[in-house]
Amino acid sequence: AQSVTQLGSHVSVSEGALVLLRCNYSSSVPPYLFWYVQYPNQGLQLLLKYTSAATLVKGINGFEAEFKKSETSFHLTKPSAHMSDAAEYFCAVSDRNNDMRFGAGTRLTVKP
Amino acid sequence: GAVVSQHPSRVICKSGTSVKIECRSLDFQATTMFWYRQFPKQSLMLMATSNEGSKATYEQGVEKDKFLINHASLTLSTLTVTSAHPEDSSFYICSARAVAPGWQYFGPGTRLLVL
Repeated sequence: AQSVTQLGSHVSVSEGALVLLRCNYSSSVPPYLFWYVQYPNQGLQLLLKYTSAATLVKGINGFEAEFKKSETSFHLTKPSAHMSDAAEYFCAVSDRNNDMRFGAGTRLTVKP
Repeated sequence: GAVVSQHPSRVICKSGTSVKIECRSLDFQATTMFWYRQFPKQSLMLMATSNEGSKATYEQGVEKDKFLINHASLTLSTLTVTSAHPEDSSFYICSARAVAPGWQYFGPGTRLLVL
């Protein structure tokens, strides 16, 4: 069975500061890993995904994530936070059949 | 490409009535569709997986007689919440996948409020 754990249900950063959202996974097979963003009352938007190619994955809106097998982690980062980054972020894991399991989510707040 | 739509986007109904939510893959054929439920400030929880032309597979704890899923064509799946109650109020999100292995593409969600 696969699962992901997102450390920190709420992260607050100042505008311009580094964003770091943590995700650790558990999987018995090589995983696919995803980060999604959700704005209020909207669906999910895919930020980036890891598919066993490059371990450093670049996504949209300046986000990137690094797959670290030794740490079973897939943390999401952005060098400089923008007010528009305030949203809920979900990490997800899937197997090769792409049956996905989501983390509990991390709410990102950006302070001016 | 790979657009998934849901209809309606928002629905309010009275307790005891049934509500149908449609999920459509607009530019690809989806052999598998997934239905998720998201309560306020919580994550997405998979409710069921449906394959075109066969019965849906429900996750543990999801009542199949209450949440009827029909995946009659390769571009349409419907979720019917029967005899809805206030505790069924939630955000329902579908996703569609062309073939396995393949990516899931998510719909915009349907907000259900049962009064």
